Amino acid sequence: DQQVKQNSPSLSVQEGRISILNCDYTNSMFDYFLWYKKYPAEGPTFLISISSIKDKNEDGRFTVFLNKSAKHLSLHIVPSQPGDSAVYFCAASAKYQGAQKLVFGQGTRLTINP
Amino acid sequence: DADVTQTPRNRITKTGKRIMLECSQTKGHDRMYWYRQDPGLGLRLIYYSFDVKDINKGEISDGYSVSRQAQAKFSLSLESAIPNQTALYFCATSDENHGAAEAFFGQGTRLTVV
Repeated sequence: DQQVKQNSPSLSVQEGRISILNCDYTNSMFDYFLWYKKYPAEGPTFLISISSIKDKNEDGRFTVFLNKSAKHLSLHIVPSQPGDSAVYFCAASAKYQGAQKLVFGQGTRLTINP
Repeated sequence: DADVTQTPRNRITKTGKRIMLECSQTKGHDRMYWYRQDPGLGLRLIYYSFDVKDINKGEISDGYSVSRQAQAKFSLSLESAIPNQTALYFCATSDENHGAAEAFFGQGTRLTVV
């Protein structure tokens, strides 16, 4: 049972345009959502997060939107740059046995074309 | 130097062999995790530990064991490796006081079981 789903395995965007990565979840108990970025031969690195009490969080070129009624979040990258080419993982956090635990989506490979 | 270090980075082993993957961290975090990444499945939690005396199973613990030798060290063992344990393995740490449950990952260990 995949509680966090990224239905697009890959996305190709032209440099300078907007990249939109999507993520859906099923568990209403998730209270924090995060995006991680992963380059080849490296571990995932934290990119941006959003609390379930908010609907938008912005950090430079990166904005995460949360639609709780639809159980959907998205990551917008504007403008997209070649260095943004990576695999992006959506993750959701819920308290389980007294501690926050992360559940990850399958990942979306973003390719920025010059 | 990396905050979370995994050894080895790559390993090829034969079916039935015992293998240990090691993780050490300099972040001073209490919480440590082992994940595996498979294509199309994202990151799945194998085991986690909230302190030296605490070990918990994740969603896919069968066939694995762990040892928390010290606050900074958390090792993952495959007692008798099988080919479907071929995957990319990540160690991660987090700070219990970090509300976003942000995790810091090592660079990964690519394990191939032949």
